[in-house]
Amino acid sequence: AQSVAQPEDQVNVAEGNPLTVKCTYSVSGNPYLFWYVQYPNRGLQFLLKYITGDNLVKGSYGFEAEFNKSQTSFHLKKPSALVSDSALYFCACLSGGSYIPTFGRGTSLIVHP
Amino acid sequence: KAGVTQTPRYLIKTRGQQVTLSCSPISGHRSVSWYQQTPGQGLQFLFEYFSETQRNKGNFPGRFSGRQFSNSRSEMNVSTLELGDSALYLCASRTTDSGANVLTFGAGSRLTVL
Repeated sequence: AQSVAQPEDQVNVAEGNPLTVKCTYSVSGNPYLFWYVQYPNRGLQFLLKYITGDNLVKGSYGFEAEFNKSQTSFHLKKPSALVSDSALYFCACLSGGSYIPTFGRGTSLIVHP
Repeated sequence: KAGVTQTPRYLIKTRGQQVTLSCSPISGHRSVSWYQQTPGQGLQFLFEYFSETQRNKGNFPGRFSGRQFSNSRSEMNVSTLELGDSALYLCASRTTDSGANVLTFGAGSRLTVL
């Protein structure tokens, strides 16, 4: 079984400041990890993924995520937040052999001008 | 390349009615999955279809059903609607090539049950 936890329902950050959206996972075997973003009245949009290799993964719109196996975490980060980054962010994981990801409950990111 | 198209985008039904939602995947994508999104439950997996066959099913009652056509287009149906079925229904498609683990989502069909 696989599970994903996003411990924060909402994250508030000032424009220009760094942001972090947290995600922890539980999966048997090696995890495939993903971040998706959802803007209002839209579907989810893929941001980045970790499959194997370098623990720091770079994705769209300047976002990156760091895979930490010992802490079973995959936190999403951006060095300098934009107001336009305000959206709902979902972390997801897959275990080997499965094509059905498990999603976290989502974290609402609010970037204040 | 056209994205995933879902119709209708918005609909209002009353309890007891049934509804059919449609999803056209990205050209060449043979896998189509459906998700229910609600504020309280987040994203819940409904089912996945591949080559007209249901391959995986989530934990939803039999009132929720789906099918996939030979052109990979998919429909889902909810019968005997309940107030709790009000949600955003998302369809996602994916390729079955290597790297087949990224989903491309449609904009969703927002269902309101009165």
